[in-house]
Amino acid sequence: AQSVTQLGSHVSVSEGALVLLRCNYSSSVPPYLFWYVQYPNQGLQLLLKYTSAATLVKGINGFEAEFKKSETSFHLTKPSAHMSDAAEYFCAVSDRTGNQFYFGTGTSLTVIP
Amino acid sequence: GAVVSQHPSRVICKSGTSVKIECRSLDFQATTMFWYRQFPKKSLMLMATSNEGSKATYEQGVEKDKFLINHASLTLSTLTVTSAHPEDSSFYICSARAPVGTIYFGEGSWLTVV
Repeated sequence: AQSVTQLGSHVSVSEGALVLLRCNYSSSVPPYLFWYVQYPNQGLQLLLKYTSAATLVKGINGFEAEFKKSETSFHLTKPSAHMSDAAEYFCAVSDRTGNQFYFGTGTSLTVIP
Repeated sequence: GAVVSQHPSRVICKSGTSVKIECRSLDFQATTMFWYRQFPKKSLMLMATSNEGSKATYEQGVEKDKFLINHASLTLSTLTVTSAHPEDSSFYICSARAPVGTIYFGEGSWLTVV
C-alpha cells in the first residue's frame, strides 16, 4: 500500500524567502515520487519526479526535492519564492508500474509581497 | 512535449442529464488513461483506470453505472456522468500514460450541475 502525507495545508512565505513544502510517503515497494503544481482553475503540471536515480532532483521553476529513504521524505524546496509560485502543490507516489498515483491532500502556497 | 487535452474545460448541465468529458492524448498513443476527481480543498481521487479496448477498472466506492468510461481508441477516453446531480459537481482530471511510461495530466474539466 502506498500513501503520502503533506504536512501543512497552507504555507505562507515572503517573496524572496525559502520555500519548504513537506511530503512524507509510505510505500511497501521502492517508490516513484512526484511533485505537481496546480495553478488556479488549471490542471496539474509536473514539477519534478524521483525515479531511483539521483536522490536530489531538480525540477522546473527553480524547485528541487530530495529523496530521503531513512526519513521517508520527499520535501520540495526553492531558495527564493516568487509571487508567481503561489499555487496548490501536490506530492504523489506511485509504484514502479505507474499504474496508480496516490496524491497528498495538497499544500496551498501563498507568497507575501 | 506530450500533451493531454480535455474537453470541455467547463460545463454546466441540468440535474438529471448526462454529460460527457473527453480526454485526448495529442501526440502519443495511450493504452492506459486514468480519471481523477478533485473535491474542493481535497486531493485528487483516482476514479478509474481505462484501458484501450477493454472495460475500465473502477476504484472502490466509485459507481461504474454513474461514471461511464470508454476508451475506444489509443488517443481518446471519455467519461460520461449519467443522471448528474449537484453533488457530482467537481473538477475532473484525466491522465494518460505515454509509451515510455511517463504520465501526463490533462488540464481538467469543471463540471457544475444545477
